[in-house]
Amino acid sequence: GDSVIQMQGQVTLSENDFLFINCTYSTTGYPTLFWYVQYSGEGPQLLLQVTTANNKGSSRGFEATYDKGTTSFHLQKTSVQEIDSAVYYCAMSGVNTGNYKYVFGAGTRLKVIA
Amino acid sequence: EAAVTQSPRSKVAVTGGKVTLSCHQTNNHDYMYWYRQDTGHGLRLIHYSYVADSTEKGDIPDGYKASRPSQENFSLILELASLSQTAVYFCASSETGGNSDYTFGSGTRLLVI
Repeated sequence: GDSVIQMQGQVTLSENDFLFINCTYSTTGYPTLFWYVQYSGEGPQLLLQVTTANNKGSSRGFEATYDKGTTSFHLQKTSVQEIDSAVYYCAMSGVNTGNYKYVFGAGTRLKVIA
Repeated sequence: EAAVTQSPRSKVAVTGGKVTLSCHQTNNHDYMYWYRQDTGHGLRLIHYSYVADSTEKGDIPDGYKASRPSQENFSLILELASLSQTAVYFCASSETGGNSDYTFGSGTRLLVI
């Protein structure tokens, strides 16, 4: 079945450090991939959506790429700030489950130290 | 502004009691979802619905029921609350299912004692 693996449970960076979060996925179709961000006390909100392999999406200084060859997708930011401290989830549309739902990664908690 | 509103924001329930979590959306979306969030597990789907008066089981439906009386409202019901159901619950809506982005509510923090 469809699956998403997000290995980095917690990442601690200093301001202006480079952020890179990686997810790998497994599916037999052509998924749509998403990054959601959850700030403390709030629900997750869409950060980026990438629908075409090897294309990039960008928002708020974050960039997402999706590599069909390695079945992986990445979120990166050149210079993180304290306000970027949050939990980041990767997600994939359920290609083999009628597209009714996402498959979420376990989440990466980012802490940025000033 | 289109939104997903959950109530209550937090609740303390007694083991064996009945708990109802409510969700209301103004997005005019067909799909609605209930997720629970636990540390180390991320977001797991409990129930979802794509049309009023119909609900479907998600990945972890045991111990939960759902009700969708209208397009705007979707409830999650714990008939006999248990300690293991202590978690944060999120409701979400989407226009067309998995290929569209989700709008999440702010969550309900449930503590079962």
